[in-house]
Amino acid sequence: ELKVEQNPLFLSMQEGKNYTIYCNYSTTSDRLYWYRQDPGKSLESLFVLLSNGAVKQEGRLMASLDTKARLSTLHITAAVHDLSATYFCAVDLRASGSRLTFGEGTQLTVNP
Amino acid sequence: EPEVTQTPSHQVTQMGQEVILRCVPISNHLYFYWYRQILGQKVEFLVSFYNNEISEKSEIFDDQFSVERPDGSNFTLKIRSTKLEDSAMYFCASSGHSGLIAYEQYFGPGTRLTVT
Repeated sequence: ELKVEQNPLFLSMQEGKNYTIYCNYSTTSDRLYWYRQDPGKSLESLFVLLSNGAVKQEGRLMASLDTKARLSTLHITAAVHDLSATYFCAVDLRASGSRLTFGEGTQLTVNP
Repeated sequence: EPEVTQTPSHQVTQMGQEVILRCVPISNHLYFYWYRQILGQKVEFLVSFYNNEISEKSEIFDDQFSVERPDGSNFTLKIRSTKLEDSAMYFCASSGHSGLIAYEQYFGPGTRLTVT
């Protein structure tokens, strides 16, 4: 059974600081996704990582994937309040049509 | 930009009643999914659907649940006899055929189901 673990689960940080969220998964996969969820809202796709060594950046967020270590990171640079949300990583095991297995989510609060 | 839509946004029902949640996937997508999220918890897979049949289902998706694509646009989730523990946000998602830019699943806004 595929397990996906995120840490930390709760993160409170000051504006302007940097931090990294970690996502570990238990079974070999080279397909990993990061989503953002605001309270009461849907899941917004942030990054799709489809190969070992993949790195993608959008604004203050950068995601990477190490399939050998079964680890993905979401790095936050110079955090701003607007980044406050819950971030989920999700993994699937095969091509189209496969279920996504989600981590527990990291609730990020960026304080002024 | 194409998006997945869901109706209703909020459904309140009494225990034991049947509910149908509706979704309109992105029009050129061929794979459809239902997930649920109990308040404050992670997102859990329920079922995937392709070519008019279930391709995968989780242990949550028992005989009380069913899915259907009644026409060319809608995708529905039916819960036959709701229980209190079915209260959750239900998300529909769709993804493009393999060969498109990613296997990325696009999520709808969700239906909040409250069972009383």
